[in-house]
Amino acid sequence: AQSVTQLDSQVPVFEEAPVELRCNYSSSVSVYLFWYVQYPNQGLQLLLKYLSGSTLVKGINGFEAEFNKSQTSFHLRKPSVHISDTAEYFCAVSARPGGGTSYGKLTFGQGTILTVHP
Amino acid sequence: DTEVTQTPKHLVMGMTNKKSLKCEQHMGHRAMYWYKQKAKKPPELMFVYSYEKLSINESVPSRFSPECPNSSLLNLHLHALQPEDSALYLCASSPGLAGASTQYFGPGTRLTVL
Repeated sequence: AQSVTQLDSQVPVFEEAPVELRCNYSSSVSVYLFWYVQYPNQGLQLLLKYLSGSTLVKGINGFEAEFNKSQTSFHLRKPSVHISDTAEYFCAVSARPGGGTSYGKLTFGQGTILTVHP
Repeated sequence: DTEVTQTPKHLVMGMTNKKSLKCEQHMGHRAMYWYKQKAKKPPELMFVYSYEKLSINESVPSRFSPECPNSSLLNLHLHALQPEDSALYLCASSPGLAGASTQYFGPGTRLTVL
């Protein structure tokens, strides 16, 4: 089984400031890692994902995330945020092949609401 | 076309009504999902279809009945719902069931049960 902990439920930040949204996970099997964004009254959209290779992953809209296996973390960063980045961000994991009954399921964290102020 | 469409956008129903939610994708994806999302919570997986066969049922009450008539279409039939079933119902699809696949989400149907 997997679990995902997003350490901050809300993150307020001023426009053009840097931001980091924190995510830690726990799993008995190897996992893939994802960040999704949900704008108000919309579905979720993939920002980026880590499958293998370089631990620094770049996504859409200037976001990036770093996979740290020893700390079981996958924190999301953006060097300069815009008002339009105001949304809820979900970290998620899914089991790699061999993940048993967890295979094919996305497990989400509780979400972090990012609010960008002018 | 990278879009997942859902109809209706909003639905209000009584506890004795029968209604259906519809989801469609034309990306050739072979896995489709239903999620339930309560306010200020993450999506909770309900059902997964892979190649039009039910692959995962997360112990969902029988008042929710999924159906996958073909590879592009996913329905969720609702009957005798409870007020606590009020939520945003999200449909998603992915190229395959593999864990590495990106899931593409529709905008959701906001359901209110009176």
